[in-house]
Amino acid sequence: AQKVTQAQTEISVVEKEDVTLDCVYETRDTTYYLFWYKQPPSGELVFLIRRNSFDEQNEISGRYSWNFQKSTSSFNFTITASQVVDSAVYFCALSALSNSGYALNFGKGTSLLVTP
Amino acid sequence: DTEVTQTPKHLVMGMTNKKSLKCEQHMGHRAMYWYKQKAKKPPELMFVYSYEKLSINESVPSRFSPECPNSSLLNLHLHALQPEDSALYLCASSSPGRGGGYTFGSGTRLTVV
Repeated sequence: AQKVTQAQTEISVVEKEDVTLDCVYETRDTTYYLFWYKQPPSGELVFLIRRNSFDEQNEISGRYSWNFQKSTSSFNFTITASQVVDSAVYFCALSALSNSGYALNFGKGTSLLVTP
Repeated sequence: DTEVTQTPKHLVMGMTNKKSLKCEQHMGHRAMYWYKQKAKKPPELMFVYSYEKLSINESVPSRFSPECPNSSLLNLHLHALQPEDSALYLCASSSPGRGGGYTFGSGTRLTVV
């Protein structure tokens, strides 16, 4: 079975703090893809990153970084020096053949509130 | 063109109405999806079209009827909806298989009264 768990329902931080959003996944496929999306209050889903199961390299993009560890089935997302504009719901998602033919399977999301 | 365009952005309909949601993309993607998202919940997969053929129906009630007239267009026909069907309906497209890059539309916010 495919499953994505985001244990943190809501996180509140003060601007300039670092924050890590956790994502743990389950899949029996050996080939799979992991994603992070941002959903601001306006509703659109904004793509942040995609990793495939064969590439465990961590990635940094500006204030964003991702830590992919197959050994713990985790794909965590860190925002450094958070800003108010980072306030949104963040979804981790899994795509694999045995899950509806590579359709995205989303975690429940983490709502991040950054206050000034 | 790297966008998925959904129309209308907002829709209010009565329980006896028939309406359609439209989705269009011109990225050459051959897989298109409908997702439903209730407030404070993640998007839930409804339908998958691959090469204009319905490949996955996630046990969606028949009052939702998808249609893919061509490789660029995806419709969702609505009939006899219930108030609990009120939600944000998201369309997405991707290259079929292999977890290709997904592009989401901005959604249609549907209210059933």
